[in-house]
Amino acid sequence: EPEVTQTPSHQVTQMGQEVILRCVPISNHLYFYWYRQILGQKVEFLVSFYNNEISEKSEIFDDQFSVERPDGSNFTLKIRSTKLEDSAMYFCASSDVGGNQPQHFGDGTRLSIL
Amino acid sequence: GDSVTQMEGPVTLSEEAFLTINCTYTATGYPSLFWYVQYPGEGLQLLLKATKADDKGSNKGFEATYRKETTSFHLEKGSVQVSDSAVYFCALTRSNAGNNRKLIWGLGTSLAVNP
Repeated sequence: EPEVTQTPSHQVTQMGQEVILRCVPISNHLYFYWYRQILGQKVEFLVSFYNNEISEKSEIFDDQFSVERPDGSNFTLKIRSTKLEDSAMYFCASSDVGGNQPQHFGDGTRLSIL
Repeated sequence: GDSVTQMEGPVTLSEEAFLTINCTYTATGYPSLFWYVQYPGEGLQLLLKATKADDKGSNKGFEATYRKETTSFHLEKGSVQVSDSAVYFCALTRSNAGNNRKLIWGLGTSLAVNP
């Protein structure tokens, strides 16, 4: 069964450094998402992406965050200058067309900011 | 705004016990409803879904029925196994969301099943 893959599984970065989290969505999916889960808290929506542009973003997704689909297969989340509070598990998801299609998730990247 | 409320955990059961995890929602229109499961050390997996009132989603012995009148989507399983130990998340997407299909999540309910 096709799956969403995320790399790396764990990223440790110094505060203030840039980090790029990578995702390969399911190949025929057209909608892409990033979510995060701070330890012990609920899963939070960050951003959705369709047709090569952001379709919705949350308050969390400020100017320090950006997303890109550089080559038709990868979907990346960049944090320009990381803060301690960015430490979380970041999940990528993708879904097919159709109003009720479920989102399929990767295993996540655990981001630890020191 | 739209929201999902789940019963707080942790829930601890013995093997073969009956499981109910309550989930209620607040949303305009008719959202689609989902249960996701997160096994230890793993990502989020879709467990089941329902897209309209009175639909029943089912998978791996788990069931949930979309109840519009009570705005609920409770997860049930008749006989749990140790391998069902995980965190269970109830979530919704808004109807008529167009390209804005973000999932709105409950807090998650941790389930531990003892042999």
